[in-house]
Amino acid sequence: EAGVVQSPRYKIIEKKQPVAFWCNPISGHNTLYWYRQNLGQGPELLIRYENEEAVDDSQLPKDRFSAERLKGVDSTLKIQPAELGDSAVYLCASSLDPGQETQYFGPGTRLLVL
Amino acid sequence: AQRVTQPEKLLSVFKGAPVELKCNYSYSGSPELFWYVQYSRQRLQLLLRHISRESIKGFTADLNKGETSFHLKKPFAQEEDSAMYYCALRQGGSEKLVFGKGTKLTVNP
Repeated sequence: EAGVVQSPRYKIIEKKQPVAFWCNPISGHNTLYWYRQNLGQGPELLIRYENEEAVDDSQLPKDRFSAERLKGVDSTLKIQPAELGDSAVYLCASSLDPGQETQYFGPGTRLLVL
Repeated sequence: AQRVTQPEKLLSVFKGAPVELKCNYSYSGSPELFWYVQYSRQRLQLLLRHISRESIKGFTADLNKGETSFHLKKPFAQEEDSAMYYCALRQGGSEKLVFGKGTKLTVNP
């Protein structure tokens, strides 16, 4: 089992450019989470999916961030346009179901916006 | 609003010494508390959760509702315990985890 897969692992872009992150959760996991982790901070939830439905996107900056999980499996998180303050590690996690306490994290995508 | 505080950014101990990583939380309801760990070049993973009342890799943590704390303890630290440790809270009935800022533990030989 590969665990949660994320790509790319690293991304460097200039400000105002778009960027996208991809996540493939553990097979059979219905719940998928996107977190952002700023330097020196803990992860902060951006959005949570149950199957293909976004059930908690209250922390997602909707003016520039968007996410989708069209078939209820893999997911894409997009930023357009990126700002300097978006530099962070973007983590994807999955769990078997909403009541499952254990979230399994991917390796993250480290984004640097210049 | 719920909040998790880890007062120590860095903690350094010698091998064989006891270690305690502090975690305090702010939440008015009935919380669920977790400790996550991230070893060097590895992904974040669950270490233990308070409802299991189990010991993992020699670590234990007791939820103290009176002091609103969930400190992580190990009587004899090992070098392989060196890692980032994050305390996290989930409010009852919600799937949202709120993380602390983390404590970097270094166990010196």
